[in-house]
Amino acid sequence: GQSLEQPSEVTAVEGAIVQINCTYQTSGFYGLSWYQQHDGGAPTFLSYNGLDGLEETGRFSSFLSRSDSYGYLLLQELQMKDSASYFCALMTTDSWGKLQFGAGTQVVVTP
Amino acid sequence: DVKVTQSSRYLVKRTGEKVFLECVQDMDHENMFWYRQDPGLGLRLIYFSYDVKMKEKGDIPEGYSVSREKKERFSLILESASTNQTSMYLCASAPAPDTQYFGPGTRLTVL
Repeated sequence: GQSLEQPSEVTAVEGAIVQINCTYQTSGFYGLSWYQQHDGGAPTFLSYNGLDGLEETGRFSSFLSRSDSYGYLLLQELQMKDSASYFCALMTTDSWGKLQFGAGTQVVVTP
Repeated sequence: DVKVTQSSRYLVKRTGEKVFLECVQDMDHENMFWYRQDPGLGLRLIYFSYDVKMKEKGDIPEGYSVSREKKERFSLILESASTNQTSMYLCASAPAPDTQYFGPGTRLTVL
């Protein structure tokens, strides 16, 4: 089986940098993806790491280290609109088609 | 941009009614998914489809069925709605199952 662990909440001020860690326990998976969800809205795909290393998309970056069973989402130059829940997710090699989501990290950005 | 649309944002139905939720995507994706999201329970996969007329059960298929007659359309059917099916229903479309694009969601209330 597998489980994804991420912190439940992170608070930071506008302009700051936030790192959301995601640790997992699985015997094999395709890659790690990240989603953002605002209150009352639908999840939005942010990034995907199929290989180890850093993927950068504007102010957001995502990182994966398979040897450490760990990934993170980095939010830079935080803006108020970044207040949302962020989920990591993966699909294991023995459960094709079924994306497993972490419980989500609530990011609160304060002025 | 990927566009996934769902037939209704809000829906109110009575117990025992047959309910159809429709989802349409415009990106020619092979894979489509139906989830429900409830507070404290996260996203739970109901059914997914990896091709026209193909379907696979997710984690909570009981009480639901699906139909995929055309590539762009994936329907979720509640054969006889019950109050415990009151939830937010989210459809997603994906070129690969671990990079999913979600529709806006349908908030269903069953009275």
